[in-house]
Amino acid sequence: SAVISQKPSRDICQRGTSLTIQCQVDSQVTMMFWYRQQPGQSLTLIATANQGSEATYESGFVIDKFPISRPNLTFSTLTVSNMSPEDSSIYLCSVGTGFEKLFFGSGTQLSVL
Amino acid sequence: KQEVTQIPAALSVPEGENLVLNCSFTDSAIYNLQWFRQDPGKGLTSLLLIQSSQREQTSGRLNASLDKSSGRSTLYIAASQPGDSATYLCAVRPTGGFKTIFGAGTRLFVKA
Repeated sequence: SAVISQKPSRDICQRGTSLTIQCQVDSQVTMMFWYRQQPGQSLTLIATANQGSEATYESGFVIDKFPISRPNLTFSTLTVSNMSPEDSSIYLCSVGTGFEKLFFGSGTQLSVL
Repeated sequence: KQEVTQIPAALSVPEGENLVLNCSFTDSAIYNLQWFRQDPGKGLTSLLLIQSSQREQTSGRLNASLDKSSGRSTLYIAASQPGDSATYLCAVRPTGGFKTIFGAGTRLFVKA
Protein backbone atom coordinates (compact mmCIF):
# COMPACT_ATOMS: atom_id res chain seq x y z
CA SER A 1 0.00 0.00 0.00
CA ALA A 2 0.95 3.67 -0.12
CA VAL A 3 0.21 6.57 2.19
CA ILE A 4 -0.07 9.92 0.44
CA SER A 5 0.09 13.29 2.13
CA GLN A 6 -1.40 16.11 0.09
CA LYS A 7 -1.23 19.80 0.96
CA PRO A 8 -3.05 22.11 1.27
CA SER A 9 -6.33 20.38 2.04
CA ARG A 10 -8.28 23.44 0.93
CA ASP A 11 -7.69 26.98 -0.18
CA ILE A 12 -9.60 30.01 -1.31
CA CYS A 13 -7.74 32.02 -3.94
CA GLN A 14 -8.19 35.19 -5.90
CA ARG A 15 -8.62 35.23 -9.64
CA GLY A 16 -5.30 35.55 -11.51
CA THR A 17 -3.14 34.03 -8.79
CA SER A 18 -1.46 30.60 -8.71
CA LEU A 19 -1.57 27.76 -6.22
CA THR A 20 0.93 24.93 -5.82
CA ILE A 21 -0.30 21.61 -4.47
CA GLN A 22 2.16 19.19 -2.93
CA CYS A 23 1.98 15.43 -2.83
CA GLN A 24 4.31 13.31 -0.68
CA VAL A 25 4.30 9.50 -0.79
CA ASP A 26 5.71 7.24 1.92
CA SER A 27 7.39 4.95 -0.61
CA GLN A 28 9.12 5.25 -3.95
CA VAL A 29 6.75 5.08 -6.90
CA THR A 30 7.41 5.35 -10.60
CA MET A 31 4.23 7.02 -11.72
CA MET A 32 2.15 9.69 -10.06
CA PHE A 33 -1.13 10.93 -11.42
CA TRP A 34 -2.92 14.24 -10.99
CA TYR A 35 -6.71 14.37 -11.28
CA ARG A 36 -9.31 17.11 -11.24
CA GLN A 37 -12.83 16.63 -9.96
CA GLN A 38 -15.16 19.47 -10.82
CA PRO A 39 -18.25 20.00 -8.66
CA GLY A 40 -20.66 17.10 -9.05
CA GLN A 41 -18.44 15.38 -11.62
CA SER A 42 -16.21 12.36 -11.71
CA LEU A 43 -12.43 12.37 -11.91
CA THR A 44 -10.58 13.60 -14.97
CA LEU A 45 -6.90 12.83 -15.43
CA ILE A 46 -4.81 15.97 -15.86
CA ALA A 47 -1.38 14.42 -16.33
CA THR A 48 0.94 11.57 -15.50
CA ALA A 49 4.22 12.50 -13.81
CA ASN A 50 7.26 10.26 -14.09
CA GLN A 51 10.46 11.07 -12.24
CA GLY A 52 13.17 12.42 -14.51
CA SER A 53 10.97 13.23 -17.47
CA GLU A 54 8.38 15.75 -18.55
CA ALA A 55 4.83 15.10 -17.42
CA THR A 56 2.40 13.70 -19.98
CA TYR A 57 -0.72 15.82 -20.25
CA GLU A 58 -4.17 14.67 -21.27
CA SER A 59 -6.20 16.34 -23.95
CA GLY A 60 -7.52 19.68 -22.74
CA PHE A 61 -4.74 20.27 -20.21
CA VAL A 62 -1.56 22.20 -20.96
CA ILE A 63 1.74 22.66 -19.18
CA ASP A 64 1.47 26.45 -19.03
CA LYS A 65 -1.73 26.19 -17.03
CA PHE A 66 -0.85 23.12 -14.93
CA PRO A 67 2.94 22.87 -14.57
CA ILE A 68 4.04 19.75 -12.75
CA SER A 69 7.32 18.93 -11.04
CA ARG A 70 8.55 15.48 -10.10
CA PRO A 71 12.01 15.93 -8.53
CA ASN A 72 12.22 12.43 -7.00
CA LEU A 73 10.34 9.16 -6.58
CA THR A 74 8.33 10.27 -3.53
CA PHE A 75 7.28 13.84 -4.29
CA SER A 76 5.38 15.86 -6.89
CA THR A 77 3.76 19.25 -7.18
CA LEU A 78 0.95 20.55 -9.37
CA THR A 79 0.55 24.29 -9.89
CA VAL A 80 -2.74 25.78 -11.02
CA SER A 81 -1.73 29.00 -12.76
CA ASN A 82 -3.57 32.22 -13.50
CA MET A 83 -6.67 30.88 -11.81
CA SER A 84 -10.25 31.65 -12.74
CA PRO A 85 -13.50 30.59 -11.05
CA GLU A 86 -13.71 27.70 -13.54
CA ASP A 87 -10.66 26.16 -11.84
CA SER A 88 -12.66 25.65 -8.65
CA SER A 89 -12.43 21.89 -8.15
CA ILE A 90 -10.97 19.16 -6.01
CA TYR A 91 -7.46 18.28 -7.14
CA LEU A 92 -6.18 14.81 -6.30
CA CYS A 93 -2.85 13.10 -6.58
CA SER A 94 -2.67 9.37 -6.97
CA VAL A 95 -0.10 6.62 -7.22
CA GLY A 96 -0.29 3.08 -8.46
CA THR A 97 1.62 0.31 -6.75
CA GLY A 98 3.07 -1.61 -9.65
CA PHE A 99 0.06 -2.69 -11.72
CA GLU A 100 -2.21 -2.97 -8.76
CA LYS A 101 -4.27 -0.60 -6.67
CA LEU A 102 -4.54 3.13 -7.10
CA PHE A 103 -4.10 5.11 -3.91
CA PHE A 104 -5.20 8.69 -3.50
CA GLY A 105 -4.25 11.65 -1.38
CA SER A 106 -6.93 13.37 0.67
CA GLY A 107 -7.46 15.99 -2.03
CA THR A 108 -7.17 19.77 -2.27
CA GLN A 109 -10.46 21.61 -2.41
CA LEU A 110 -9.83 24.81 -4.35
CA SER A 111 -12.23 27.73 -4.57
CA VAL A 112 -11.39 30.66 -6.83
CA LEU A 113 -13.18 33.97 -6.26
CA LYS B 1 -12.87 4.36 -26.27
CA GLN B 2 -13.61 2.98 -22.82
CA GLU B 3 -16.63 4.45 -21.05
CA VAL B 4 -17.75 3.64 -17.52
CA THR B 5 -21.35 4.12 -16.41
CA GLN B 6 -22.76 3.81 -12.92
CA ILE B 7 -26.40 3.28 -12.12
CA PRO B 8 -28.17 4.59 -10.13
CA ALA B 9 -26.71 8.08 -9.79
CA ALA B 10 -28.17 8.33 -6.31
CA LEU B 11 -29.75 5.92 -3.87
CA SER B 12 -31.42 6.34 -0.50
CA VAL B 13 -32.10 3.28 1.67
CA PRO B 14 -33.09 2.60 5.28
CA GLU B 15 -30.47 1.32 7.66
CA GLY B 16 -30.02 -2.45 7.59
CA GLU B 17 -30.97 -2.93 3.97
CA ASN B 18 -28.79 -4.88 1.56
CA LEU B 19 -28.05 -3.00 -1.64
CA VAL B 20 -26.34 -3.34 -5.00
CA LEU B 21 -24.51 -0.67 -6.95
CA ASN B 22 -23.94 -1.21 -10.64
CA CYS B 23 -21.06 -0.38 -12.94
CA SER B 24 -20.86 -1.06 -16.67
CA PHE B 25 -17.98 -0.57 -19.10
CA THR B 26 -17.90 -0.62 -22.87
CA ASP B 27 -14.58 -2.37 -23.59
CA SER B 28 -13.95 -5.77 -22.02
CA ALA B 29 -10.17 -5.45 -22.47
CA ILE B 30 -9.50 -4.42 -18.91
CA TYR B 31 -6.57 -5.07 -16.60
CA ASN B 32 -8.48 -4.52 -13.38
CA LEU B 33 -11.51 -2.83 -11.88
CA GLN B 34 -11.48 -0.96 -8.62
CA TRP B 35 -14.25 0.31 -6.36
CA PHE B 36 -13.68 3.45 -4.31
CA ARG B 37 -15.51 5.37 -1.64
CA GLN B 38 -15.43 9.16 -1.51
CA ASP B 39 -16.72 11.30 1.32
CA PRO B 40 -17.76 14.89 0.51
CA GLY B 41 -14.81 17.12 -0.35
CA LYS B 42 -12.32 14.35 0.33
CA GLY B 43 -10.04 11.97 -1.53
CA LEU B 44 -10.82 8.43 -2.59
CA THR B 45 -10.50 5.36 -0.42
CA SER B 46 -9.92 2.05 -2.18
CA LEU B 47 -12.51 -0.58 -1.25
CA LEU B 48 -11.95 -3.54 -3.52
CA LEU B 49 -9.76 -4.37 -6.50
CA ILE B 50 -10.69 -7.13 -8.93
CA GLN B 51 -8.13 -8.37 -11.42
CA SER B 52 -9.36 -9.25 -14.90
CA SER B 53 -8.92 -12.98 -14.18
CA GLN B 54 -11.03 -12.83 -11.02
CA ARG B 55 -14.78 -13.04 -10.63
CA GLU B 56 -15.23 -11.44 -7.22
CA GLN B 57 -13.59 -9.96 -4.15
CA THR B 58 -14.91 -9.65 -0.62
CA SER B 59 -14.02 -7.40 2.28
CA GLY B 60 -16.23 -7.43 5.36
CA ARG B 61 -19.75 -6.41 4.36
CA LEU B 62 -18.65 -5.60 0.82
CA ASN B 63 -18.61 -7.93 -2.15
CA ALA B 64 -17.64 -6.90 -5.67
CA SER B 65 -18.21 -9.05 -8.72
CA LEU B 66 -16.86 -8.79 -12.24
CA ASP B 67 -18.26 -10.14 -15.50
CA LYS B 68 -15.88 -9.02 -18.20
CA SER B 69 -17.78 -10.58 -21.07
CA SER B 70 -20.89 -8.55 -20.31
CA GLY B 71 -18.95 -5.47 -19.22
CA ARG B 72 -20.45 -5.35 -15.74
CA SER B 73 -19.44 -5.13 -12.13
CA THR B 74 -21.57 -4.91 -9.02
CA LEU B 75 -20.78 -3.77 -5.50
CA TYR B 76 -22.95 -5.47 -2.90
CA ILE B 77 -23.21 -3.86 0.53
CA ALA B 78 -24.76 -5.99 3.24
CA ALA B 79 -26.63 -4.63 6.25
CA SER B 80 -26.09 -0.99 5.33
CA GLN B 81 -25.26 1.56 8.03
CA PRO B 82 -25.48 5.38 8.15
CA GLY B 83 -21.68 5.42 8.07
CA ASP B 84 -21.82 3.89 4.60
CA SER B 85 -23.28 7.13 3.27
CA ALA B 86 -20.82 8.37 0.64
CA THR B 87 -20.25 8.39 -3.11
CA TYR B 88 -19.07 5.08 -4.57
CA LEU B 89 -16.93 5.20 -7.69
CA CYS B 90 -16.09 2.43 -10.09
CA ALA B 91 -12.82 2.68 -12.06
CA VAL B 92 -11.49 0.57 -14.91
CA ARG B 93 -7.88 0.22 -15.93
CA PRO B 94 -7.54 -0.90 -19.56
CA THR B 95 -5.21 -3.62 -20.73
CA GLY B 96 -1.87 -2.26 -21.82
CA GLY B 97 -2.41 1.22 -20.40
CA PHE B 98 -2.03 3.24 -17.22
CA LYS B 99 -4.95 5.61 -17.66
CA THR B 100 -7.76 4.59 -15.33
CA ILE B 101 -11.28 5.56 -16.39
CA PHE B 102 -13.75 6.52 -13.68
CA GLY B 103 -17.51 6.36 -13.59
CA ALA B 104 -19.54 9.30 -12.37
CA GLY B 105 -20.33 7.54 -9.10
CA THR B 106 -23.39 6.54 -7.10
CA ARG B 107 -24.27 8.79 -4.19
CA LEU B 108 -25.56 6.60 -1.36
CA PHE B 109 -27.54 7.83 1.63
CA VAL B 110 -28.38 5.39 4.41
CA LYS B 111 -31.12 6.63 6.72
CA ALA B 112 -30.97 5.83 10.42
